[in-house]
Amino acid sequence: DVKVTQSSRYLVKRTGEKVFLECVQDMDHENMFWYRQDPGLGLRLIYFSYDVKMKEKGDIPEGYSVSREKKERFSLILESASTNQTSMYLCATLRRGLGADTQYFGPGTRLTVL
Amino acid sequence: KQEVTQIPAALSVPEGENLVLNCSFTDSAIYNLQWFRQDPGKGLTSLLLIQSSQREQTSGRLNASLDKSSGRSTLYIAASQPGDSATYLCAVKGNTPLVFGKGTRLSVIA
Repeated sequence: DVKVTQSSRYLVKRTGEKVFLECVQDMDHENMFWYRQDPGLGLRLIYFSYDVKMKEKGDIPEGYSVSREKKERFSLILESASTNQTSMYLCATLRRGLGADTQYFGPGTRLTVL
Repeated sequence: KQEVTQIPAALSVPEGENLVLNCSFTDSAIYNLQWFRQDPGKGLTSLLLIQSSQREQTSGRLNASLDKSSGRSTLYIAASQPGDSATYLCAVKGNTPLVFGKGTRLSVIA
């Protein structure tokens, strides 16, 4: 069974704190993604990675960075958390098939920045 | 830039009804389209994936169709049940990572 885990389901941080969100997959997928989801805005791509140590900006990378030191782990970093980063954060992996790529999502981390 | 729209944003139906959720996309150059389900406060679960060369896919009471040329997909749910209550999202895959619609929030009333 496909498994994507995220380090925390709920997280509360203060403005200015450095925040790490961890995502781990056990499927040996090369592609991993970080999204945030907000009411009325849907899912928005923050960053993605095609391989270890490789990263690409998504649609809303400002205020975030990522780290992919090992294939199975993709970390999202909020260098200095702000209240507008309060959101649900979803990690995903991608399985490449014969013309059919399938994404698998983790359970999400609901982050509140006070 | 690909845009994905889902209509309606919310839908409430009595148990047992058949229903259709709609998804439209602006760029027909896609590799595949995927339907997801999301329960409140949870991650996304993949329901069906339709390749660009396919017209439909079925899984149990779910049937998804794809008309690539017109930029449309539908998710048909037969004999709806209260357990089907969730948000349903469609997403298209082109040359960029998946582009998601904002979802349709479905409530099935017992």
